[in-house]
Amino acid sequence: DAGVIQSPRHEVTEMGQEVTLRCKPISGHNSLFWYRQTMMRGLELLIYFNNNVPIDDSGMPEDRFSAKMPNASFSTLKIQPSEPRDSAVYFCASSLAPGLAGGLSYNEQFFGPGTRLTVL
Amino acid sequence: DAKTTQPTSMDCAEGRAANLPCNHSTISGNEYVYWYRQIHSQGPQYIIHGLKNNETNEMASLIITEDRKSSTLILPHATLRDTAVYYCIVRVGSSGSARQLTFGSGTQLTVLP
Repeated sequence: DAGVIQSPRHEVTEMGQEVTLRCKPISGHNSLFWYRQTMMRGLELLIYFNNNVPIDDSGMPEDRFSAKMPNASFSTLKIQPSEPRDSAVYFCASSLAPGLAGGLSYNEQFFGPGTRLTVL
Repeated sequence: DAKTTQPTSMDCAEGRAANLPCNHSTISGNEYVYWYRQIHSQGPQYIIHGLKNNETNEMASLIITEDRKSSTLILPHATLRDTAVYYCIVRVGSSGSARQLTFGSGTQLTVLP
């Protein structure tokens, strides 16, 4: 299994530009999470999907951020326009919702390697 | 989700057991304790989880006190590759749909040669 795949691994852009981060979850997983990590704020959840449907986007900082999951094998996180304060490592994670796996507690999330975004 | 408290940092000698504590005094009966770790420049990695009973897997052991107000993650024979930030997370188990994890500050474990 290739694990969660994220691209690009590194992105450097200038303020005002559009940035699109991509994620391919583990095949068969039906939940997908986008996190952002900075030194100041740690690891924060931005949004998550169950069965391709956004469930909670309360962590999305502002309207400049948007996320889509057009199918079970692909998701994007877009920032438009980007600002220097968006510089962070963005992680995507996927999991198989508990219950469907036969248990009530199982909540293991598999994280991708992250995308390091630098906005100049 | 119940709040957790962990020491900011700990050191451990290579080959020794690393015991990482976590306080979760407001935990409720249906909340599980999860442990994840994050090695530098990598995404977090699941380690173990439990509800009431002690748990063990190939990576670690989880000891939960009888009143469930605290727990300890044990790495029995720490190696240099275990140097990472360890997160203790308490959250309700769920059925039918996954739910998010809330990461705190964690404990920076440094394994010393």
